[in-house]
Amino acid sequence: GAGVSQSPSNKVTEKGKDVELRCDPISGHTALYWYRQRLGQGLEFLIYFQGNSAPDKSGLPSDRFSAERTGESVSTLTIQRTQQEDSAVYLCASSARTSRLYEQYFGPGTRLTVT
Amino acid sequence: AQSVTQLGSHVSVSEGALVLLRCNYSSSVPPYLFWYVQYPNQGLQLLLKYTSAATLVKGINGFEAEFKKSETSFHLTKPSAHMSDAAEYFCAVSDQGFQKLVFGTGTRLLVSP
Repeated sequence: GAGVSQSPSNKVTEKGKDVELRCDPISGHTALYWYRQRLGQGLEFLIYFQGNSAPDKSGLPSDRFSAERTGESVSTLTIQRTQQEDSAVYLCASSARTSRLYEQYFGPGTRLTVT
Repeated sequence: AQSVTQLGSHVSVSEGALVLLRCNYSSSVPPYLFWYVQYPNQGLQLLLKYTSAATLVKGINGFEAEFKKSETSFHLTKPSAHMSDAAEYFCAVSDQGFQKLVFGTGTRLLVSP
């Protein structure tokens, strides 16, 4: 079946512009996660959704970052007034439930470059 | 807070040689531990996971890992490396409660003929 998809695969933007990154989870998965992978570093948790509710936003690096999810479907991560330090690969994952018993399935990521 | 340390950002082996990728964790609760592999321009794929059952966990592609509580380690091994194993490998520990993953910084495995 279809896996997690993300769009765009690559995004180049100028400093100060806003960007939207999209994630389509596996159908039926209630949990959705966003991570950031900066060059030479591990993955950094940003936010997770249970349904369309985001109980934990503690990983968002600043108030320029926000995310929303429509029902148990598409999620959008928005970065306002992008900065060069926002350059990274943004990975989305989904799982059937928000329990560590359930595997997280990752999308291919969106590579964001801020010039 | 939980954390993961992966020793060695790069590991080089010859084809057919033993693969050993090191991971040490810190956790105040019984951990769930994971190894993921990332091939170029692809998302992460789960290799194996430890969920407090058997301490020796077998995964896909011939990989296995052993949970050692006394050493707080979860090293990944494969008896014989293949060229196709060249990728980046991430060790992760799950946070308590929900399934947030805390990742190490990754180890790039290089396999030479």
